[in-house]
Amino acid sequence: DQQVKQNSPSLSVQEGRISILNCDYTNSMFDYFLWYKKYPAEGPTFLISISSIKDKNEDGRFTVFLNKSAKHLSLHIVPSQPGDSAVYFCAARDPYNFNKFYFGSGTKLNVKP
Amino acid sequence: NAGVTQTPKFQVLKTGQSMTLQCAQDMNHEYMSWYRQDPGMGLRLIHYSVGAGITDQGEVPNGYNVSRSTTEDFPLRLLSAAPSQTSVYFCASSPGLAGYNEQFFGPGTRLTVL
Repeated sequence: DQQVKQNSPSLSVQEGRISILNCDYTNSMFDYFLWYKKYPAEGPTFLISISSIKDKNEDGRFTVFLNKSAKHLSLHIVPSQPGDSAVYFCAARDPYNFNKFYFGSGTKLNVKP
Repeated sequence: NAGVTQTPKFQVLKTGQSMTLQCAQDMNHEYMSWYRQDPGMGLRLIHYSVGAGITDQGEVPNGYNVSRSTTEDFPLRLLSAAPSQTSVYFCASSPGLAGYNEQFFGPGTRLTVL
């Protein structure tokens, strides 16, 4: 059973608006969460992360929110740009092995001009 | 700095054939791993290594072998390919230090087993 879930396979947003990508996890012991972005025919690239001691982390247009009680994190992109169109994966670190990560199935974001 | 490189980019095998997917990194990272990506499944960990000479199994290790003789290289071997191994394979590396580290991924190898 997947420990990290992204229940929305796709999301379509107008340029300039906010994109919200969601991720749920099952293991309350996860202590570090990451978002990766993937373009077609390329490997995933790191976007932003958050440790479990925080509930928010910002980097430019990207903000990740963590709700530990709900075991939920979200990625906000404001404003969305056509170049943001990609597949976004969330990942959680194994609490007993800091080099091991569990990935969600990804959400394909399409930002329309 | 080439980062993480993978060869080949594409490969077609027949059932029962063997092959090795190559992965190399030039960042002196201790930790390396192999993932497979399948539709609707995300990235699943196959095998990983925390340093030269040390490897361990991930979530889906069956049908795959690895070894790590140098820090730079981490090849993935399929001894007898099966159609269920049709997938996109990604190699990744990270510093392996305590604290908060992200992984750096290669461009992937798309494998089809007929």
